[in-house]
Amino acid sequence: SQTIHQWPATLVQPVGSPLSLECTVEGTSNPNLYWYRQAAGRGLQLLFYSVGIGQISSEVPQNLSASRPQDRQFILSSKKLLLSDSGFYLCAWRSVGYGYTFGSGTRLTVV
Amino acid sequence: AQSVTQLGSHVSVSEGALVLLRCNYSSSVPPYLFWYVQYPNQGLQLLLKYTSAATLVKGINGFEAEFKKSETSFHLTKPSAHMSDAAEYFCAVNQDSSYKLIFGSGTRLLVRP
Repeated sequence: SQTIHQWPATLVQPVGSPLSLECTVEGTSNPNLYWYRQAAGRGLQLLFYSVGIGQISSEVPQNLSASRPQDRQFILSSKKLLLSDSGFYLCAWRSVGYGYTFGSGTRLTVV
Repeated sequence: AQSVTQLGSHVSVSEGALVLLRCNYSSSVPPYLFWYVQYPNQGLQLLLKYTSAATLVKGINGFEAEFKKSETSFHLTKPSAHMSDAAEYFCAVNQDSSYKLIFGSGTRLLVRP
């Protein structure tokens, strides 16, 4: 069966520090992968999506970047975190029948 | 461009009462529509989806939604609310050409005992 793993679950980082969030998918090949952010009291904002290794599309200008070094691995990064980067980050992959399966999320607090 | 509007950021119902969460979409092509539920500090779980088959879609946990093209709506309903239904609900539309999922702003459902 297909599963999606996201870690860490919770992260507290100081302003100006780097960030690396990882997402991996099991049980499928060549998935479409997505990073969403959910800020407090707001909906879900699509940050990046990838249709294949090394292929990244950015949806909004920001302090973050994404990479896809392997078929089933999607990484969200930042060189220097800002307070405004705080939020709940969700990784997702697009499964058969046009549904999306989400990871359990990472709560990032920048202090 | 496709978009989704969820009317009401908060909906409060009594336990046992009807749940109605509203969603209207904008799309120039036949859309794929979804409802997701999110419990605190968790990811999103798919409740149901419409993919141009039957207009009345049944999902998990007793929820269902009806696609109405004439009203561009995809409202979520449940005949009788349970305390465990308290969560945030998101409507979403699939921007098919690029496989992006566009979400509404969400509706928080409160269930009163």
